[in-house]
Amino acid sequence: EAEVAQSPRYKITEKSQAVAFWCDPISGHATLYWYRQILGQGPELLVQFQDESVVDDSQLPKDRFSAERLKGVDSTLKIQPAELGDSAMYLCASSLSSSANEKLFFGSGTQLSVL
Amino acid sequence: AQTVTQSQPEMSVQEAETVTLSCTYDTSESDYYLFWYKQPPSRQMILVIRQEAYKQQNATENRFSVNFQKAAKSFSLKISDSQLGDAAMYFCAYRTGANSKLTFGKGITLSVRP
Repeated sequence: EAEVAQSPRYKITEKSQAVAFWCDPISGHATLYWYRQILGQGPELLVQFQDESVVDDSQLPKDRFSAERLKGVDSTLKIQPAELGDSAMYLCASSLSSSANEKLFFGSGTQLSVL
Repeated sequence: AQTVTQSQPEMSVQEAETVTLSCTYDTSESDYYLFWYKQPPSRQMILVIRQEAYKQQNATENRFSVNFQKAAKSFSLKISDSQLGDAAMYFCAYRTGANSKLTFGKGITLSVRP
């Protein structure tokens, strides 16, 4: 079965540095999501794309976070500068469409540690 | 704002037994969808089961079934004949309308005793 690819798997950085995460959704999936999951908590949506357009970034800290999906396929999430509180698992997911009953397929995530 | 509450942080079940995981939600919408996702220690989250709010019949997927009580805003997951591979974190989630976000509860850690 096709999977959502994410890299890197782990990232350790110092505060004030810049970090970037990459996600390649399942081929043909129009909707792409970035979630942040703090240890012991449920994932929280950071940004949702429909093709190359952002449809929800209300929870994205825009002073330091940015996300893009230029060609409507793969996506990059960037943090600059990283802060200690950004340590978390960053999950990418994709779905065929943005319909409410659509199944989301998740990647294995990028575990970020900010020192 | 919609909220999803999973009040039990941990549960344990004996292999081959049945366990029920609880979830409640708060919404003013009449049409929505509810989901249970499983996150094994490898951390790749997968969909277990989903329920449309307009359907009265409870969803079933093999050993997994739900008890959907719309008036009580309750959506519990029943796992029958528990297996060691069922050990994971389970998240209840809610979504309404196209382009709406999928909102997760805090999750529950299920352990299975051999």
